[in-house]
Amino acid sequence: NAGVMQNPRHLVRRRGQEARLRCSPMKGHSHVYWYRQLPEEGLKFMVYLQKENIIDESGMPKERFSAEFPKEGPSILRIQQVVRGDSAAYFCASSPPSQDTQYFGPGTRLTVL
Amino acid sequence: GENVEQHPSTLSVQEGDSAVIKCTYSDSASNYFPWYKQELGKGPQLIIDIRSNVGEKKDQRIAVTLNKTAKHFSLHITETQPEDSAVYFCAASGRGYQKVTFGIGTKLQVIP
Repeated sequence: NAGVMQNPRHLVRRRGQEARLRCSPMKGHSHVYWYRQLPEEGLKFMVYLQKENIIDESGMPKERFSAEFPKEGPSILRIQQVVRGDSAAYFCASSPPSQDTQYFGPGTRLTVL
Repeated sequence: GENVEQHPSTLSVQEGDSAVIKCTYSDSASNYFPWYKQELGKGPQLIIDIRSNVGEKKDQRIAVTLNKTAKHFSLHITETQPEDSAVYFCAASGRGYQKVTFGIGTKLQVIP
């Protein structure tokens, strides 16, 4: 059973461009979570999604950030008009229905020039 | 919301010694407490977890204890090895919703 997969692993964008981060959960997992990790800091919750539904987006900035988890395909975290402060590692985690254990992917390291 | 505090932020031990990391949480409704290990450049990996109906859990050299009355829980690593060097995160989540709140992390260095 493959683990949580994220791509790209590294992403470089210039200020003002868009960043798209993808996450494929483990097989059988229908819950996806996105976290942001700044250098030397802990993991900050951003958004929790189930298939086609956003359950909790309380940790996501109101502007420029959006997330989706379509019926088919990976979950996508989208950052529009990136700024230098968006530079961070973004981690996706997944869990099966009715279970609270989350399994993390390897992360996408976003660098904004 | 939940607030998780973790200490120490850095910890150096000699190989073979024990390491202890402590966390406190604020929400008495929290009932699930996982611990993650993160190596440089990698994602967090679940190493052990404990639920509120259990006071202690052990897996080889790793053990966790939970004191619900005091709202604190601890990770104990015995007979440390250089490959234990990493950042360790404690976390807490509540009943019925899987949002997890993480501590700030402890950077453990095991000196050979």
